[in-house]
Amino acid sequence: DIQMTQSPSSLSASVGDRVTITCRASRDINTFLIWYQQKPGRAPKLLIYAASSLHGGAPSRFSGSGSGTDFTLTISSLQPEDFATYYCQQSSSTPITFGQGTRLEIK
Amino acid sequence: QITLKESGPPLVKPTQTLTLTCTFSGFSLSTSGVAVGWIRQPPGKALEWLASIYWDDDTRYIPSLKSRLTITKDTSKNQVVLTITNMDPADTATYFCAHQRFSSGYYFDFWGQGTPVTVSS
Repeated sequence: DIQMTQSPSSLSASVGDRVTITCRASRDINTFLIWYQQKPGRAPKLLIYAASSLHGGAPSRFSGSGSGTDFTLTISSLQPEDFATYYCQQSSSTPITFGQGTRLEIK
Repeated sequence: QITLKESGPPLVKPTQTLTLTCTFSGFSLSTSGVAVGWIRQPPGKALEWLASIYWDDDTRYIPSLKSRLTITKDTSKNQVVLTITNMDPADTATYFCAHQRFSSGYYFDFWGQGTPVTVSS
């Protein structure tokens, strides 16, 4: 199985901050990397697919980069509605695996 | 507009079999490149993919649970059913179904609201 490791596990930031979350795969997954946002009690929402492609419903302040084993999700200017938990997921091979999540909290 | 909704019992006893149904609209599971997957999330924990069924009837399962899982589809009813045998308290979680689309790999672009399942005697 491909292990996905996110860092940090939690993060405190303020509205307007630029935030970066990292995801590392245990082996090369090319660009088969997806990012989701999840708020408490809600289903995850797709943000980024294929490592850097923005999903149609996601705000442009979200961006993704990386290939191989190292990936980043960047929020250019945090908005109040961005405080949530973020998950990365690999789709290079089954079993599909997710990272453990990064909880983004208000400072 | 793609929508999915999970249904199933909120409470099952240990050793029982859980049957979850995902009823969807806005797409066909016979369309090339489409799949439906099941993902669960124990309280306060991360997401865990369980199984997927693809437009061509291919099925994939998480190896650690493969012996307990069965995923099927009824294209005429727009439903996907997941059964999990021999339920254990460790299977307590919210269970989501989601539409999978292929574009540089499969990803989950539309999710159901989730259905909580508690395993307890």
